[in-house]
Parts: sequence; structure tokens; C-alpha cells
Amino acid sequence: GQQLNQSPQSMFIQEGEDVSMNCTSSSIFNTWLWYKQDPGEGPVLLIALYKAGELTSNGRLTAQFGITRKDSFLNISASIPSDVGIYFCAGPTRGEYGNKLVFGAGTILRVKS
Amino acid sequence: GAVVSQHPSWVICKSGTSVKIECRSLDFQATTMFWYRQFPKQSLMLMATSNEGSKATYEQGVEKDKFLINHASLTLSTLTVTSAHPEDSSFYICSARVGAGYRETQYFGPGTRLLVL
Repeated sequence: GQQLNQSPQSMFIQEGEDVSMNCTSSSIFNTWLWYKQDPGEGPVLLIALYKAGELTSNGRLTAQFGITRKDSFLNISASIPSDVGIYFCAGPTRGEYGNKLVFGAGTILRVKS
Repeated sequence: GAVVSQHPSWVICKSGTSVKIECRSLDFQATTMFWYRQFPKQSLMLMATSNEGSKATYEQGVEKDKFLINHASLTLSTLTVTSAHPEDSSFYICSARVGAGYRETQYFGPGTRLLVL
């Protein structure tokens, strides 16, 4: 089945630094989603990308849908302590009864203040 | 908008008992909901797709008689872990599908932590 390769696996950065993470796939995706999960909580949708080449921002977050439709990246500028969490990329894959999401393995972000 | 709730947020039960987890879409109708399981420091693992008014579809390796799913209304899906055992202890998360086609997304509930003693 379709798989998403997410990197890096974890990051430990200084507060104020910029962060970049990405997802790649051997298959084409028509949608890329980026979620953040705080400890003990469910994932929260950060950014949804629907068009190849699309660049979308949400506050300090910026995500791009690669033009090959096989990759996406998420940038966080000027990181702050509350950015700590696990970030997942996800994309829809065809299931028996409609689309279901396939997730990357996640990027664990820790911020040193 | 697109708020999904789960109840309970955590539950501790004895081995052999059954536990029911509720997933509700609070401000929208969801014909399709999903149930995931997550182990510490791992990604989400899809267990089943819950379809309103019809039987759930289970992923390979997930026992349908063990994890009973009922999607009786457009705003409620329930997951019942039957005859729970310690190996069923995990973080269970539901989500609801919003939108259609390539513009669809999923919004997640806050999760339910299950501990089976």
C-alpha cells in the first residue's frame, strides 16, 4: 500500500529557531495534511493542501504541496515552547468504502527554552 | 467548527470486562468516522471505518468480534472493546470525515486512554 516517509524522526531545537520537516512518497497524493499531536491528546489539523505547488501558511506555520505530488514539507518559524509535540503528515488513500488516511511515522519536536 | 468529542477520556477496567467508547461530532454530521489505536511514540494505526447505517469495515488483522463498532446516527459512533485483556490497553482515537473527494479531511477526537488490569 501507499506509505509516507517522514523525516526527521525527532528534533531538539533552541527556542526561536526555525524548524523544517518533510514527507515523501513513492506514490502520488492528491491531498497532503499536516497534524500536530500534543501528549495525551488527539491530532489537530494544522494545514490542508489540495493543489500541487500550493504554499499555505497558518501563523508561523508554512506548508507546501510538492509539484510532483509525491512530497510535502512543513516549516515552523521562530519556534516557541508550545510547539512541542508530534507532527504527522497524512494523505488519503483509496479504501473499500471511500478514502482513508495513511500517516507518516511522525516528527517529535522538542524545544529548549 | 468540526469539533469531535470522545467519552470517556480515560478508563480503567478489569480483565474480562467490556468497555464502550463514544465518539461524537458536535457541530456537524458525519456519515463516516474512523477508529484508530496508538501505542506510545508511534503513529496512528487505523482499526476500522465506521459507516452510518451500515456495518463497519475493519482493517486487516483487527478482530471485528473483539472491537464492536456501532454508528447508529450521523453524530455518534461507538467502539466496544469486548472481554478486554491487558494487551488491549492503548490510546484509542476516533475521527470524523469532513468534506468529499480530494478536499476531504479528518478531524480527530481527544482520545481515550484504556488501561486493562
